[in-house]
Amino acid sequence: EAAVTQSPRNKVAVTGGKVTLSCNQTNNHNNMYWYRQDTGHGLRLIHYSYGAGSTEKGDIPDGYKASRPSQENFSLILELATPSQTSVYFCASGEYNYAEQFFGPGTRLTVL
Amino acid sequence: GDSVTQMQGQVTLSEDDFLFINCTYSTTWYPTLFWYVQYPGEGPQLLLKVTTANNKGISRGFEATYDKRTTSFHLQKASVQESDSAVYYCVLGTGNTRKLIFGLGTTLQVQP
Repeated sequence: EAAVTQSPRNKVAVTGGKVTLSCNQTNNHNNMYWYRQDTGHGLRLIHYSYGAGSTEKGDIPDGYKASRPSQENFSLILELATPSQTSVYFCASGEYNYAEQFFGPGTRLTVL
Repeated sequence: GDSVTQMQGQVTLSEDDFLFINCTYSTTWYPTLFWYVQYPGEGPQLLLKVTTANNKGISRGFEATYDKRTTSFHLQKASVQESDSAVYYCVLGTGNTRKLIFGLGTTLQVQP
């Protein structure tokens, strides 16, 4: 049974529209992460969280917001989507500092 | 800052060939080094974790070690199979952050 799930799995959005990507984990991990994956760039960290109510900026946070309303849920929000945000987005959870991270299956976002 | 360099973008082998992938890392903290594997349509998953220099991590026929003197770490397998075709990421974790730093990935294609 999948411990990290993401929704939607595929999304097409229009430029300037608002997009929310959702992540749920049943691992009871404190830390959660959002990455994007692009050819030539590998995986890059956008935002992360140490627990409910906390969010931290990762390496490429511009244009993105995050929300952690509970231990289980972590959302990534694109208030004004742009074509440069077309990518595959992965959510992950981890128990403690630099420990193994468990990834979801990814969301493919296309911004037209 | 902390960084990982993974030079081999693509590796093509035949079944039963020997696999060797090398990375270098840079950090001022004590490192923990990982290899993650990503199969098509899935999120990355942990393959190996190495916490002590010159100690060997072993999983699913893969071996990994890191050398503190040369700040390099590598992944090897004696005999690859077609099912090993995937993207392999070298990943650095450091004691001062809760983040993992991913290399750009090596796409392994194993021909039958």
